[in-house]
Amino acid sequence: AQKVTQAQTEISVVEKEDVTLDCVYETRDTTYYLFWYKQPPSGELVFLIRRNSFDEQNEISGRYSWNFQKSTSSFNFTITASQVVDSAVYFCALSGGKLIFGQGTTLQVKP
Amino acid sequence: DTGVSQNPRHKITKRGQNVTFRCDPISEHNRLYWYRQTLGQGPEFLTYFQNEAQLEKSRLLSDRFSAERPKGSFSTLEIQRTEQGDSAMYLCASSSTGRETQYFGPGTRLLVL
Repeated sequence: AQKVTQAQTEISVVEKEDVTLDCVYETRDTTYYLFWYKQPPSGELVFLIRRNSFDEQNEISGRYSWNFQKSTSSFNFTITASQVVDSAVYFCALSGGKLIFGQGTTLQVKP
Repeated sequence: DTGVSQNPRHKITKRGQNVTFRCDPISEHNRLYWYRQTLGQGPEFLTYFQNEAQLEKSRLLSDRFSAERPKGSFSTLEIQRTEQGDSAMYLCASSSTGRETQYFGPGTRLLVL
């Protein structure tokens, strides 16, 4: 069975702090995709990044960076120098077609 | 580039009534997905279309739920004889074959009284 676990339910940081959101997944597929989505208070899910199972190269995009480790089945997401606008619910998802989402991590960035 | 749109954005109905939601995907996308999200949870898959063919349905999709995509463009999701447990956000997403990223619409928030 496929499963995504986001153990952190809520994280609260002060602006400019770095924060890492954890994601652990389970799948028997050899080819799969991993995603991070952001859901601000407005409710719309916003796509952030996609990784396929063959690409373990980590990526940095502005203040965002992602660490994919197949050996530990983890796909963690770090925001550097957090800002109030980063406050949202963040979802990690696994795809073998349909998306399997984790429970989400609520990030609150305080000024 | 127009994104995924959903209508209505909000729907309040009384228990036992039927409701219908519409999703318009990104125009060049041939795949369309429906998800349901309850408070504090991640979205859960309901069903998926490739063009006009409904290829997969979740066990969450009871007999009261039906989805269509008659011409392979927009899709409708109908809930018959609504129950209070149907209260949720209903999300639609679309993608293209060979491109795994799904783009989501703003959702329809349903409240059953």
